[in-house]
Amino acid sequence: DAGITQSPRHKVTETGTPVTLRCHQTENHRYMYWYRQDPGHGLRLIHYSYGVKDTDKGEVSDGYSVSRSKTEDFLLTLESATSSQTSVYFCAISDWGDTDTQYFGPGTRLTVL
Amino acid sequence: AQKITQTQPGMFVQEKEAVTLDCTYDTSDQSYGLFWYKQPSSGEMIFLIYQGSYDEQNATEGRYSLNFQKARKSANLVISASQLGDSAMYFCAMKGDTGRRALTFGSGTRLQVQP
Repeated sequence: DAGITQSPRHKVTETGTPVTLRCHQTENHRYMYWYRQDPGHGLRLIHYSYGVKDTDKGEVSDGYSVSRSKTEDFLLTLESATSSQTSVYFCAISDWGDTDTQYFGPGTRLTVL
Repeated sequence: AQKITQTQPGMFVQEKEAVTLDCTYDTSDQSYGLFWYKQPSSGEMIFLIYQGSYDEQNATEGRYSLNFQKARKSANLVISASQLGDSAMYFCAMKGDTGRRALTFGSGTRLQVQP
């Protein structure tokens, strides 16, 4: 199994507060991704990174920012959490190769009250 | 834009029988990849199988096989000899021919294996 951890695994917060989720990998993979999973939508891409300090937006990036200062860490920040950001957040990693298969972390369940 | 459609929200299968989970896709890319992931009730996303658009043979991984019909834009997952542990959500996803390498997911199919 790919070495991917996410922290925290569960978080309850209040509307308007900042929240940072962390994804840590031990595989030295180049690409890292943040997805959110909501009922009926599968997983949707929030942001991704193609290297240290290289990031770009996904399809549901409004209200989120990311940073990647080291290969192994990819941070997702909700600057001012809203109830619509209640979701399960997954980090994934991939590397150069024929398939670019993505491997996922265990997920973080975030509840915004 | 890419789109994945999974038309079966839920399915039942008897233990030891085979089951097919449907997936159709839409893309204008010439080169693309198709993936299936399993999500058990514990929540993790588990990679099952991959099919490249130029692969001439259908992919197989143990009891999983991917029935790839390029002209029909379908990439159905076949699970042979179902086991109780196969009960889970199954997601079809695709990667297009761009530098992003991100996946587009379908909405999933919940499979329940009955004893």
